[in-house]
Formats: sequence, structure tokens, C-alpha cells
Amino acid sequence: EVQLVESGGGLVQPGGSLRLSCAASGFTFSSYWMHWVRQAPGKGLVWVSRINSDGSSTSYADSVKGRFTISRDNAKNTLYLQMNSLRAEDTAVYYCARDLSSGGDHDYWGQGTLVTVSS
Amino acid sequence: SYELTQPPSVSVSPGQTARITCSGDALPKKYAYWYQQKSGQAPVLVIYEDSKRPSGIPERFSGSSSGTMATLTISGAQVEDEADYYCYSTDSSGNHNVFGTGTKVTVL
Repeated sequence: EVQLVESGGGLVQPGGSLRLSCAASGFTFSSYWMHWVRQAPGKGLVWVSRINSDGSSTSYADSVKGRFTISRDNAKNTLYLQMNSLRAEDTAVYYCARDLSSGGDHDYWGQGTLVTVSS
Repeated sequence: SYELTQPPSVSVSPGQTARITCSGDALPKKYAYWYQQKSGQAPVLVIYEDSKRPSGIPERFSGSSSGTMATLTISGAQVEDEADYYCYSTDSSGNHNVFGTGTKVTVL
């Protein structure tokens, strides 16, 4: 059974840092691109970042570029999102999602982890 | 930055057809994907590559794309189809994914 389990969310002060993890199981993690998507309370879905299967290529939304870093450890079947210089507007539930065909078809999602940026 | 525009809400009676549009300049060259999100849950893919339906998704869900507009159609909408729906695609470079603004579908 495919599972994606996010962790690492919590309360952080503005300007602070946090690292999210997404533990994958039930599939060959190293074969799939992966994405992070976030959703602020009561708001819509926002794409954050993606990484290709071997980690050699990444892409970011303009709103997080230069502050967030996506990475992966295929030996540990884990996806990461390092978030620095956090702002109040980064407050959201963060989901990791598998990319079935390196397009936009995310067939499996995690349950999400809540990040709250507040003093 | 690239944007995909959807109507904020669509309301239909049970058994009627709901149509949700998604407008974006890159859609003539890029696929559209559609996600359903019910309250408190993770999104679920209902249409991929403009018009393909994943296994397990009811046949009443269909998709199409023409020019700068993609459309999700729910034929014979059911009460359980009440949810937020998001289109999803990439910009013309293919390097940045983007979700649409989202449409709340009400079936009552």
C-alpha cells in the first residue's frame, strides 16, 4: 500500500526555519518525481516545489524561491522541504504528493502537516 | 506569474450537469488536471491529461480542453460530489506548476 506521511510541522516565529519530511512507503520512491503543495487555512491549493526522481532538478513557486529548498534521500525513501526566513503568509497545511508521470497527475498525497508562523 | 482562473462557485440540483471552467494562456499547449477536495481531506485526482479518468473515478466525471479553456463536467451530479474543485497545469516553460483559483460545487 502506497503511503506518504508528512512530519515536522509546528509553530515557528517569523524569520525562523523548519524542515518538513515526507516518508514514503509501498512503492519505488526513487522512480518518481515528488511535489510539495500547501493550503492556507480556508484558502485554495498552492503548488510550492517539485523535485525529479534523482534529485538533480528542482523547481519552486516564485513566492518561496530563495527561501525554501526541496531535497530527497532515495536511500531513506524520504522527501524534505527546508523552509527558511518564514513569514506569516507561509502558514498552511503542507502536503507532499507523488507525481505519477512527471506531469501533473498526483495520484497519492500525504495527510498534510500544519505549519504556523506567528510570534 | 502564471494564473489559472476558475469561477468561485457552481450550484446544481442532484442529477443535473455541473460544468467548471478553467482559463489559462498556456492551456493550448499544456495538459489540464482536475482535483476534487472535500472538507478536511487531501485532494483526489479526478481527471488527468485534459480528459482521462483515473481508475475508480465515476464515469460522470469528464474533462475537455479547447484553446485557452479546460472544462470539468459532472454529468448527473450527486450530493457526494459537493466539494472544491481545482484545475492544475504548468506555465509555458513547463517548469512551474500552478493550481487554479478553485470552484466550490454545491449540489442541493
